[in-house]
Parts: sequence; structure tokens; C-alpha cells
Amino acid sequence: AQKITQTQPGMFVQEKEAVTLDCTYDTSDPSYGLFWYKQPSSGEMIFLIYQGSYDQQNATEGRYSLNFQKARKSANLVISASQLGDSAMYFCAMREGVRYSTLTFGKGTMLLVSP
Amino acid sequence: NAGVTQTPKFQVLKTGQSMTLQCAQDMNHEYMSWYRQDPGMGLRLIHYSVGAGITDQGEVPNGYNVSRSTTEDFPLRLLSAAPSQTSVYFCASSSLGSNNEQFFGPGTRLTVL
Repeated sequence: AQKITQTQPGMFVQEKEAVTLDCTYDTSDPSYGLFWYKQPSSGEMIFLIYQGSYDQQNATEGRYSLNFQKARKSANLVISASQLGDSAMYFCAMREGVRYSTLTFGKGTMLLVSP
Repeated sequence: NAGVTQTPKFQVLKTGQSMTLQCAQDMNHEYMSWYRQDPGMGLRLIHYSVGAGITDQGEVPNGYNVSRSTTEDFPLRLLSAAPSQTSVYFCASSSLGSNNEQFFGPGTRLTVL
């Protein structure tokens, strides 16, 4: 079974609208972390947001928030007020356990923001 | 700080050739790793290291070797390149710990003919 599943290969949104990118995960480890990264067409990997399995509140970073539903094992990224510069590939990733930093990535969602 | 640097940015090899992809970080991070990115596959872990002298295999280690003689450097060696190793390679580093983000290098685009 895949550890990280991103079911949306592509998403379209209009500028200034909000968009939700889906991510579900599979782990039996009680301690884990979930990360979202953005990869624009230039190719670099940009860290967006992190949610720990024991965090009580959903993580937020500016226009990014993480809708963390532990029972459903989902960690969806919400981007509010989309901008043209948000057009990129978005990856969800998971770290299991506390000792090491190894990440398992999903296959990504391509987001296109139109004017 | 330069962060995570990778050289070269682009490389073309012939099947059977060997080469080393270089990765260096100046943030004194204990953890370093190599990923490959193929279309539609996301990033897959090749090898990782939690400190000088300590390395371990990831999800797709075959055909690649690594060593970690210093905290700063973590080179990836292709001993005999194959077309299946055509990919974009990313090096990443972080402090050890549960919530520390990984910092990625700019990537190396490798083509094996």
C-alpha cells in the first residue's frame, strides 16, 4: 500500500479563490510528521508547512493551512486567495518515527492558477 | 550561508560510464539524503546518512553508492550508468528531529544514453 496518496493529478483554480489539495497517508507509527513542498517550474523544492501527529491545532503559515484529520489519516493543504505564482507541483510527504528525518513523498498534484 | 549545493546542474553520460554527483551543505546538519525524481513518481529516497561514517539504503538504492566522510559532504556515485538512471537527483539535509524541514539542493538533471 502506498504510504502517501495524492489522488488529484491536476487541479485548476481561479486567482483569488481558495483551493484544497488532498493528501492521505498510511502509517502504524504513532509519531509521524506531514510536510508539504512546492515545486515550481524552475525545479527547486520549497518547504511550505509541517504538521506533527501530536499537534493539537492545524498548522498555518500565511496563506497555507493544513487540514489535519487524524482519524481519517488525511492532511490536506488549503491555499487561500490563490495567486498566479502558486502555479506549481505540490508534494505531500511523511516522516515516520522520531529518530530519523527520512521522508516518503506522494506523486504530487499540479496546480494551475488562472487569471 | 549557501545552504545545500549540488554539482553539476546537468550531465549527460553514456551507458556504462561512472560519475559522482556532489552535494554539500554548510548548515552543520547531521542528516543528508539523496532522492531521485521521475515523471509521475514523486521523489524516491536512494540513500541517506545520519552523520559522518553512517549511511543507509532508501527505497531505490541499486546502482548507487554513497559515503559520508565529513558532515558537510555527501556524494552519490553511479558506478556503471544505465538509461534507467536518467532522472533528476536532489540532495537534501536537515537537523535530526521530528519536525525539522529538509532543505533541498537545486537538483542535478542526469541523462544516460
